Amino acid sequence: EDQVTQSPEALRLQEGESSSLNCSYTVSGLRGLFWYRQDPGKGPEFLFTLYSAGEEKEKERLKATLTKKESFLHITAPKPEDSATYLCAVRAAGNKLTFGGGTRVLVKP
Amino acid sequence: GAVVSQHPSRVICKSGTSVKIECRSLDFQATTMFWYRQFPKQSLMLMATSNEGSKATYEQGVEKDKFLINHASLTLSTLTVTSAHPEDSSFYICSAGDRGVTDTQYFGPGTRLTVL
Repeated sequence: EDQVTQSPEALRLQEGESSSLNCSYTVSGLRGLFWYRQDPGKGPEFLFTLYSAGEEKEKERLKATLTKKESFLHITAPKPEDSATYLCAVRAAGNKLTFGGGTRVLVKP
Repeated sequence: GAVVSQHPSRVICKSGTSVKIECRSLDFQATTMFWYRQFPKQSLMLMATSNEGSKATYEQGVEKDKFLINHASLTLSTLTVTSAHPEDSSFYICSAGDRGVTDTQYFGPGTRLTVL
């Protein structure tokens, strides 16, 4: 059974304080690891897709990396508007996504 | 591109009534759409996979007679919560797969259902 574990559950940062979120996964035949951002009361917003170990993707202050067992989402010099829940999901056979529990990030000015 | 809409965004209904939620892919065609449920401060739980022109595939523990799914076209899937009860109150979110190179799932804004 596919499993995704995200840590920490919650993260409080000062504006400008860089940090990393972890997503550990167990899956047979990874066909993509996805990062989404979700604001309260809204649907998840797509950030990145990673397919193979060693791959990296960047978007503004966010950078996602992938190894064979985990993925990291690095937030560099975060701003208050980066406050959100960040979700990690994996896709194995078929199109179904298995989500982790998410990391709630709060960036204080 | 890759925009998914949901309607309504919020609905309040009385116990015993049925509620229909629409999910549309606005700028791409989606042969597969997905319906999720999310409880407060929890992650997304997949309820069912909606396939255009065929029956939906439900996850274990999801009552197919209670959560009716119809995927009549390549841009529209509907979820009907039948005989709703207070325990059905939740945040329902749909997603649609862009069948391009990345095959990424894009999510709708969600529908908040409150059953009184």
